[in-house]
Amino acid sequence: AQSVTQLDSHVSVSEGTPVLLRCNYSSSYSPSLFWYVQHPNKGLQLLLKYTSAATLVKGINGFEAEFKKSETSFHLTKPSAHMSDAAEYFCVVTYTGGGNKLTFGTGTQLKVEL
Amino acid sequence: DGGITQSPKYLFRKEGQNVTLSCEQNLNHDAMYWYRQDPGQGLRLIYYSQIVNDFQKGDIAEGYSVSREKKESFPLTVTSAQKNPTAFYLCASSIQGRDNSPLHFGNGTRLTVT
Repeated sequence: AQSVTQLDSHVSVSEGTPVLLRCNYSSSYSPSLFWYVQHPNKGLQLLLKYTSAATLVKGINGFEAEFKKSETSFHLTKPSAHMSDAAEYFCVVTYTGGGNKLTFGTGTQLKVEL
Repeated sequence: DGGITQSPKYLFRKEGQNVTLSCEQNLNHDAMYWYRQDPGQGLRLIYYSQIVNDFQKGDIAEGYSVSREKKESFPLTVTSAQKNPTAFYLCASSIQGRDNSPLHFGNGTRLTVT
């Protein structure tokens, strides 16, 4: 069994300040974890993925995430928010051998203010 | 440009009518998926197909049907048996046979049933 919890449904930051979007997971197997971003009325785009290699994963648009097994977390960060980062972000878990059966979090809406 | 095309972008139907959502991909991916997105609930898997002429039910298949007659096409029919069909529907594809291969998403179809 697997599950994922996004701890904040909404996050608001000022432009130029750091972003932290929190994700905790549960998996009976070695997990693979993803972050996707969705802009309004669009599909989802892959930001980054963790698949048991380096625990600090760098993605597109300056985002990165750190896999912490002891904390069962995979938080998404960015040093400096940009207005174009305003979107909904989804944390997703699966596992090797799972046949690409993904479990999605409920999403975090990121608002970036001037 | 390779990608996934969903049409139409917006669809309106009267209650009791079946409606078919189109999904076409030119990425040469074997696997295709249909997800339903409702506010605050993340994405839920309706059906998926790993190969032509084969498909499996996802977590919320009741009231939906699919076909996979061609590799590039995976249409979804929302039948009158679906009790709450108004939602945002997303089609995705991925490379088959590679665990944890990222999903590529279309831009979605927003269905409104009144």
